[in-house]
Amino acid sequence: DVKVTQSSRYLVKRTGEKVFLECVQDMDHENMFWYRQDPGLGLRLIYFSYDVKMKEKGDIPEGYSVSREKKERFSLILESASTNQTSMYLCASSLYILSNTGELFFGEGSRLTVL
Amino acid sequence: AQSVTQLDSQVPVFEEAPVELRCNYSSSVSVYLFWYVQYPNQGLQLLLKYLSGSTLVKGINGFEAEFNKSQTSFHLRKPSVHISDTAEYFCAVSDLAGQGGSEKLVFGKGTKLTVNP
Repeated sequence: DVKVTQSSRYLVKRTGEKVFLECVQDMDHENMFWYRQDPGLGLRLIYFSYDVKMKEKGDIPEGYSVSREKKERFSLILESASTNQTSMYLCASSLYILSNTGELFFGEGSRLTVL
Repeated sequence: AQSVTQLDSQVPVFEEAPVELRCNYSSSVSVYLFWYVQYPNQGLQLLLKYLSGSTLVKGINGFEAEFNKSQTSFHLRKPSVHISDTAEYFCAVSDLAGQGGSEKLVFGKGTKLTVNP
């Protein structure tokens, strides 16, 4: 069965802390994505990666960075957490380009609170 | 760039009633359209997708959607809802992203469907 695992379901951090959100997929997928979900705003793309060590900015990359050293793992990094980064973070992966298979597989999300 | 508008942020209905969740997208060029569902405290899962072919698409749990190119719409329907359909529903459209020609999904803001007994 397809599985995208986000290491932490709930995190509480303080302003200025460095935060790592980890995502692992076991499907040998090429593409991985980090979205942020906020009430009334839907999902917004932060960063994505279509190959190991490759990354591209999404729509709201400011304040975030990513790392993809291995195919199965895609990490989201908040260099200096701020209260406006309190949100639900969703990781997703896909095998081929979306128009070919048409499906993203999502993790269950990491709810981050920055105090 | 593509954008998606979900016209209703909340839709309350009674059990066994029909429901339609509306979705409009911004561009009339070739697009790929999706509906995802998010149950409470879970990630998103695919309900159905339109890539090509028949404009009426059937998905899981009795949902269907109709692609209307002239109206740039992709409304989601179910003839009779159950309590278990209570969830948030997201419409999404594919869009080119970055310099490598890769694709991303652009999501609408979501519609919360509440099915009451």
